Amino acid sequence: QQQVKQSPQSLIVQKGGISIINCAYENTAFDYFPWYQQFPGKGPALLIAIRPDVSEKKEGRFTISFNKSAKQFSLHIMDSQPGDSATYFCAASTSGTYKYIFGTGTRLKVLA
Amino acid sequence: DAGITQSPRHKVTETGTPVTLRCHQTENHRYMYWYRQDPGHGLRLIHYSYGVKDTDKGEVSDGYSVSRSKTEDFLLTLESATSSQTSVYFCAIRTSGGNGELFFGEGSRLTVL
Repeated sequence: QQQVKQSPQSLIVQKGGISIINCAYENTAFDYFPWYQQFPGKGPALLIAIRPDVSEKKEGRFTISFNKSAKQFSLHIMDSQPGDSATYFCAASTSGTYKYIFGTGTRLKVLA
Repeated sequence: DAGITQSPRHKVTETGTPVTLRCHQTENHRYMYWYRQDPGHGLRLIHYSYGVKDTDKGEVSDGYSVSRSKTEDFLLTLESATSSQTSVYFCAIRTSGGNGELFFGEGSRLTVL
């Protein structure tokens, strides 16, 4: 049962462009939405996270946009760089459950 | 890296044999998790632990068991490995406070022939 749907599966962007990855969820009890970045041969690492009381969070070139009514959130990578080439996972969890449900991942390639 | 060590990092085994993967942490975190990663499925939770001898099932627990006899070690056992369990297995810990943050190990690649 996939509770977090992520798209696209893969993405190719030119250097300097904007990368956009989208996620949708069904469970309205989710109240924490992190994004993880994974390089080949490594474990995922937390990139940025948001709670539903804000509509946007920005950290450097990375921004999460959150639409509570649509039950969707997205990751925007501004000025994408070849070093951003990695697999990105969205996730969701509910306070008190300590379970984290992940999306299926997006493989991003940024062309030099 | 939150002091997480997974072993073995690579293993090839035969169908029907038992396999145990070990996750060791050095920072005394209460919550530990086992995920499997497969193309097209992302990361799926197998089991997690919220303390010594306290464990619970995740999304894909069939065919797997876990044990946590010490805070620092969380073991994942495949009692009788099948080819469908060929995967990369990740251990994670959750830091305390607020929403917590998951830190993952480097992964264990298991191939079942």
